[in-house]
Amino acid sequence: KAGVTQTPRYLIKTRGQQVTLSCSPISGHRSVSWYQQTPGQGLQFLFEYFSETQRNKGNFPGRFSGRQFSNSRSEMNVSTLELGDSALYLCASSSGQTMNTEAFFGQGTRLTVV
Amino acid sequence: KNQVEQSPQSLIILEGKNCTLQCNYTVSPFSNLRWYKQDTGRGPVSLTIMTFSENTKSNGRYTATLDADTKQSSLHITASQLSDSASYICVVSARGSTLGRLYFGRGTQLTVWP
Repeated sequence: KAGVTQTPRYLIKTRGQQVTLSCSPISGHRSVSWYQQTPGQGLQFLFEYFSETQRNKGNFPGRFSGRQFSNSRSEMNVSTLELGDSALYLCASSSGQTMNTEAFFGQGTRLTVV
Repeated sequence: KNQVEQSPQSLIILEGKNCTLQCNYTVSPFSNLRWYKQDTGRGPVSLTIMTFSENTKSNGRYTATLDADTKQSSLHITASQLSDSASYICVVSARGSTLGRLYFGRGTQLTVWP
């Protein structure tokens, strides 16, 4: 079956702009979580959605927001971009039914803010 | 504070040699521990997932061990290949949390030389 698909793969934006990233989970998966990965901080949790509801949120400013649609696809939006937002943004999907459910990651979106 | 520490930060070995990566965690109450392999610029790919009751799990040339009493895990790679060059990330989840509350180590960057 198809894996987790993230679009676009690469993105260049200027400071102050806003950006929307998309994540299509594996068919049948209802949980989508988003992560920011930078060389200095490693992987950091942004938020998780399950059945269109935000189930968990990390410690990021309100400029970072997300949503999930009825088909489980999820979008992440970052407004008023800052240079420090340059990172690899990863999403992961799972069935979300048990604690030991496997999480499958997408290839990520590489965002560069100039 | 829930933390995951990995060592070494980086490692260089020759092709065909074995190596062991370490992961110590303070996440409590513990639910499961996962090892991921991440190639540069790509999303992490799951190698193993272990629950409290499991102390060894293998996936081909990869063998993970878990000591829940000392809160330590290791990933042993046998007969390394050039394609093993990647970052290996230890991820721990706490019982009672959802997929969104994963705690990530910073990873061990493994380089395999011919």
